[in-house]
Amino acid sequence: AQSVTQLDSHVSVSEGTPVLLRCNYSSSYSPSLFWYVQHPNKGLQLLLKYTSAATLVKGINGFEAEFKKSETSFHLTKPSAHMSDAAEYFCVVIPSSGGYNKLIFGAGTRLAVHP
Amino acid sequence: NAGVTQTPKFQVLKTGQSMTLQCAQDMNHNSMYWYRQDPGMGLRLIYYSASEGTTDKGEVPNGYNVSRLNKREFSLRLESAAPSQTSVYFCASSELPPGQLAKNIQYFGAGTRLSVL
Repeated sequence: AQSVTQLDSHVSVSEGTPVLLRCNYSSSYSPSLFWYVQHPNKGLQLLLKYTSAATLVKGINGFEAEFKKSETSFHLTKPSAHMSDAAEYFCVVIPSSGGYNKLIFGAGTRLAVHP
Repeated sequence: NAGVTQTPKFQVLKTGQSMTLQCAQDMNHNSMYWYRQDPGMGLRLIYYSASEGTTDKGEVPNGYNVSRLNKREFSLRLESAAPSQTSVYFCASSELPPGQLAKNIQYFGAGTRLSVL
């Protein structure tokens, strides 16, 4: 069965320091992978997506993620955190097994950014 | 640029009451979705509509019904609310059908926070 594991439920960083949000997936097929961000009382917004092109994917607001097949990981990073990055982040996988491609969401990582 | 609009934003129900959550999108998207979000569980798909006139069950459809009223609107109905349905509900839409989600992006509404007492 396909699944997504976000390894940290909460991450706290200081403004200006790097951000690392970890995501591991399990999929029998070559998956498509996404990161979404949810700011308080807002809907989810797509940050970036991997669909079997370049393994290093750049997204909005300075975020990027690297697909590592050998490690089944798709960690989200940002070199320097900003206060406005405080939000909840979801790793999402679509196992490409044909037919209806169901989105499988991780449980989310809440990022706190301190001055 | 409204995108996906959900109403109401908040709702409190008593057990056994019924209500309908409304969702409308102005992007001329073909596909629409209803999710629920519970702490520590990410989002789970309740129902989806690949195109106007069609609906299909998702991962957790029990206790819910949906109506794809037209291309713009997709409503979710709780016929007899239960405390287990206390959750945040999100509507989403996408241009392409679900089978092409890998190349597609889902756009989400701001959510409806529902409490069932």
